[in-house]
Amino acid sequence: GAGVSQSPSNKVTEKGKDVELRCDPISGHTALYWYRQRLGQGLEFLIYFQGNSAPDKSGLPSDRFSAERTGESVSTLTIQRTQQEDSAVYLCASSLEAREGDEQFFGPGTRLTVL
Amino acid sequence: RKEVEQDPGPFNVPEGATVAFNCTYSNSASQSFFWYRQDCRKEPKLLMSVYSSGNEDGRFTAQLNRASQYISLLIRDSKLSDSATYLCVVSSSGGYQKVTFGIGTKLQVIP
Repeated sequence: GAGVSQSPSNKVTEKGKDVELRCDPISGHTALYWYRQRLGQGLEFLIYFQGNSAPDKSGLPSDRFSAERTGESVSTLTIQRTQQEDSAVYLCASSLEAREGDEQFFGPGTRLTVL
Repeated sequence: RKEVEQDPGPFNVPEGATVAFNCTYSNSASQSFFWYRQDCRKEPKLLMSVYSSGNEDGRFTAQLNRASQYISLLIRDSKLSDSATYLCVVSSSGGYQKVTFGIGTKLQVIP
């Protein structure tokens, strides 16, 4: 079956521009997570969705970052006025629910480069 | 102190060797533990969950020590294909499964 997909796979943008990153979770998965991974670094939690609501936004680094999820499906992560330090791979993951022990399935990520 | 700490390595081992990684966590209320594997420039994938009684999957053995708050991963008879970064993942309940990833330990198996 189809896994988690993300688009675009690569995005190069100029400093100050806005970008939108898209995540399509596995069908039927109610929980969705966004992470950021800088080069050579670990995964940094950004935001978690349960259905369409976001109970935990604690990882969003600044108010330039926002995310939404519609129809318990697609999610978009928006970064406004991008900065060079935003350059990273943005990973999306989904799980059936958000219970203890639920495996997270990751998408291939979007590699964002801010010039 | 980081919530989840791992030695980033790299661990360079010859084929056939046995290698072990440890990971410590700071939240004593943590409930679930996992090892994920991440190949270079790829997404992480679940390798195995870690149970209180310890568990084994082929050449891989995971153990949990709640008293000392660490988990371990043992790989026997290392293969070239085992070369990857191994991520320690800890989950705590807080209304939902909030997971924290370690920085990962890089393993390079050498012919």
